[in-house]
Amino acid sequence: KAGVTQTPRYLIKTRGQQVTLSCSPISGHRSVSWYQQTPGQGLQFLFEYFSETQRNKGNFPGRFSGRQFSNSRSEMNVSTLELGDSALYLCASSYQGSKETQYFGPGTRLLVL
Amino acid sequence: GESVGLHLPTLSVQEGDNSIINCAYSNSASDYFIWYKQESGKGPQFIIDIRSNMDKRQGQRVTVLLNKTVKHLSLQIAATQPGDSAVYFCAAWDSVNDYKLSFGAGTTVTVRA
Repeated sequence: KAGVTQTPRYLIKTRGQQVTLSCSPISGHRSVSWYQQTPGQGLQFLFEYFSETQRNKGNFPGRFSGRQFSNSRSEMNVSTLELGDSALYLCASSYQGSKETQYFGPGTRLLVL
Repeated sequence: GESVGLHLPTLSVQEGDNSIINCAYSNSASDYFIWYKQESGKGPQFIIDIRSNMDKRQGQRVTVLLNKTVKHLSLQIAATQPGDSAVYFCAAWDSVNDYKLSFGAGTTVTVRA
């Protein structure tokens, strides 16, 4: 079974721009979670989607948003990029999204200049 | 909510020795824990998990111990190999926010030849 895939793998943007990242979960998984990973803050939860509905959201500003499609693929969007948004963005999928193992993709490395 | 922390940010181990990575959690209601390994340039990879109805679980060269009394878990790696060099994270399901996995800061394990 193919793993979680994320595109693009690397991205360079400038301040003020916006970016959209994509995640395709493992086949059959309906829950997709997004995390931001930085050296200083570690893995920080962004949000979780299940059946196209956001069920939980972390403590990030409204510039961070996401959505999930009917095939469980998910996208996250960051608008008005700031230098501090430079990070590795990780997507993880699981069947139901609660009290079970999440499987991670390789991440998208975003650099904001 | 849940707060997960690791005791040591770095661990240097001689090849062939056993490694022990420790983790503490704050919420006594947390009932499912996962250890992940993250190699450079990759997303976190599932190693082993344990539910609160167990106090020990073994995998291939890895053992997780859970002490619910002091809210502590550990990951033991037997006969550490160079390929074990990575960052290790413990994660706990937040019993308040059902769809959020909380991660510790990570321990960087370096294996000396």
